[in-house]
Amino acid sequence: DQQVKQNSPSLSVQEGRISILNCDYTNSMFDYFLWYKKYPAEGPTFLISISSIKDKNEDGRFTVFLNKSAKHLSLHIVPSQPGDSAVYFCAASGGNTPLVFGKGTRLSVIA
Amino acid sequence: GAVVSQHPSWVICKSGTSVKIECRSLDFQATTMFWYRQFPKQSLMLMATSNEGSKATYEQGVEKDKFLINHASLTLSTLTVTSAHPEDSSFYICSGWTTSQNYGYTFGSGTRLTVV
Repeated sequence: DQQVKQNSPSLSVQEGRISILNCDYTNSMFDYFLWYKKYPAEGPTFLISISSIKDKNEDGRFTVFLNKSAKHLSLHIVPSQPGDSAVYFCAASGGNTPLVFGKGTRLSVIA
Repeated sequence: GAVVSQHPSWVICKSGTSVKIECRSLDFQATTMFWYRQFPKQSLMLMATSNEGSKATYEQGVEKDKFLINHASLTLSTLTVTSAHPEDSSFYICSGWTTSQNYGYTFGSGTRLTVV
């Protein structure tokens, strides 16, 4: 049973446009959500997070939106840059429990 | 910021041998270390959780006698893959966590293990 789902395995976006990566979860106990970026053969790098008490968190070009009723969150990157090309993992946690990861979405930003 | 140093970054070993992977938290004390494994085109899967000074807790389906985890200090955790087989070939990543980080899970750079 996959508790965190990223239904799009890949996404291609033109440089300068907006990238929107989606994530759905099933466990209503999750109260903290994180996005990680991962390059091949490297460990994931923390990107941005959001607590369940918020519905939006912004950090520079990255914004995460949380819709608790729909159990859905999304990561917006604008403007997208070629260096953003990587695999993006959505992760969720409840309390101090281990993170549960989605399968990732490979973003390709085309110049 | 917080850094977890993981090594080796890649290793090739023969079937039947053992491989040790180390993760060190460089500027914080990791009270908890999570060990993950990632197969190609799949998500990061949690293998085990270790707290400093106590036995690791393994996820269902992970053999504790095969994947030995030691978390002897707040800055060092090791994963030893014993009697490795080709099916153990994977990407292994550790993640350090401490109460002061407030959900800032810090990942190591990962180890690519190839068993031939």
